[in-house]
Amino acid sequence: KNEVEQSPQNLTAQEGEFITINCSYSVGISALHWLQQHPGGGIVSLFMLSSGKKKHGRLIATINIQEKHSSLHITASHPRDSAVYICAVNYGGATNKLIFGTGTLLAVQP
Amino acid sequence: DTGVSQNPRHKITKRGQNVTFRCDPISEHNRLYWYRQTLGQGPEFLTYFQNEAQLEKSRLLSDRFSAERPKGSFSTLEIQRTEQGDSAMYLCASSLGDSLYSGNTIYFGEGSWLTVV
Repeated sequence: KNEVEQSPQNLTAQEGEFITINCSYSVGISALHWLQQHPGGGIVSLFMLSSGKKKHGRLIATINIQEKHSSLHITASHPRDSAVYICAVNYGGATNKLIFGTGTLLAVQP
Repeated sequence: DTGVSQNPRHKITKRGQNVTFRCDPISEHNRLYWYRQTLGQGPEFLTYFQNEAQLEKSRLLSDRFSAERPKGSFSTLEIQRTEQGDSAMYLCASSLGDSLYSGNTIYFGEGSWLTVV
C-alpha cells in the first residue's frame, strides 16, 4: 500500500469542466507538493502546502491536516492542462525527501 | 539561471555496460536528490546530497549504483553492469535548504531516460 494515494488514477474531462484530484497520506507531514508532469518527463512544482489553501491562476490546492487529505482543483479546464498530476509529501527530517503518489493522468478534450 | 539540467536525456545501452548520468542543479541550491521513475509509477527516492555529503541512500540503490557530488555542485549517478530492470527515467532535483525540518520548493530536471537492451 502506497503511503500516498491519489484518486482518480485516470480522468477524462471536457474543456471547461471543473476538475478535482484527491490525495491522501497516512502520517503527519511537514509539507505536501502538487506537481505536474508532461509526457517526456519534466516535472514542474505547482504548489507546496503545509496548511490551508493556495491559488495560482486556474489552479487551487487545499489541504486538511487533520483529515490527512489534499485536493487539487482546476477551474475552466483546457486541453493544455492534460498531464499527469502528482501528489508528494515531505515528512521533514534531515533529508526532506519526497514520497510520491502514483499520479493522476488527466486528459482534457476540446 | 537555467534550472536543473540533466545529461544525457536519453541513453540506450547493452546489458552489462556502465552508464553515467550528470545533474547540474540550480547554482545556489545545497540539496540535491536523485529519483527513479518507471512507467506508470511515481518517482522513487534513490539518494540525497547536502552540499558534497551523501546523507541518505535508499535500499533501492544496490551496490551497482554510485552517486557523487564532489564539489557540492554537479552530481553524477553511475550504474555499473546494467540490467534490464534498470530501465527507467532517472530524475534529479534540487532545493535550497534553509531549515532542516521545513518543506522547500523543489526543482526538477527533465530526467534521463535509460533503456537497457
